[in-house]
Amino acid sequence: GAGVSQTPSNKVTEKGKYVELRCDPISGHTALYWYRQSLGQGPEFLIYFQGTGAADDSGLPNDRFFAVRPEGSVSTLKIQRTERGDSAVYLCASSGGTGGIRGYTFGSGTRLTVV
Amino acid sequence: AQSVTQPDIHITVSEGASLELRCNYSYGATPYLFWYVQSPGQGLQLLLKYFSGDTLVQGIKGFEAEFKRSQSSFNLRKPSVHWSDAAEYFCAVADYNQGGKLIFGQGTELSVKP
Repeated sequence: GAGVSQTPSNKVTEKGKYVELRCDPISGHTALYWYRQSLGQGPEFLIYFQGTGAADDSGLPNDRFFAVRPEGSVSTLKIQRTERGDSAVYLCASSGGTGGIRGYTFGSGTRLTVV
Repeated sequence: AQSVTQPDIHITVSEGASLELRCNYSYGATPYLFWYVQSPGQGLQLLLKYFSGDTLVQGIKGFEAEFKRSQSSFNLRKPSVHWSDAAEYFCAVADYNQGGKLIFGQGTELSVKP
């Protein structure tokens, strides 16, 4: 597609529920990144995919968070047993290369609210 | 560890006045540096980036930034601010030894007075 698409744009869920957030990157972009942005903060890195594999998942806060990219394009961020502290905007970015040299394109994000 | 510091949480300037937003980074090698802008409810839009070469970088919307290695800084400037520039601004460094993940500062909120 022309840009990075994230769905849904807003998600309200009850504490303890499971949620899935989707990212559809720019076609042909091999690198995909997930970030979390809490209110009043800069985005924080969660996980990075190169192709189908998670090359760096050091930013995932705990084992309730998991992400996949089975065919090297669309990625899904999965959060189990959601907590109120998970409320944030989840941003996805894709890049045509590695290391940042080709820049990044960000999606508009998914605003997750856990009540 | 790599980090980015934006010392000013909130800045207010008058329309037509000049602007400088500060950014300091910590990175062990030559950094890839970025400035992004985020309007309320919107995603991140790239203003400009520095990889190498000329240390004064021109970006979109009349913004520029200067890379100063000796000061570990990458300050964003605009000679004359417009009301539409009111937004949140983020400085970031790409850790290209770690797949290029971005490390962001906490952001500077810019307000513009009429």
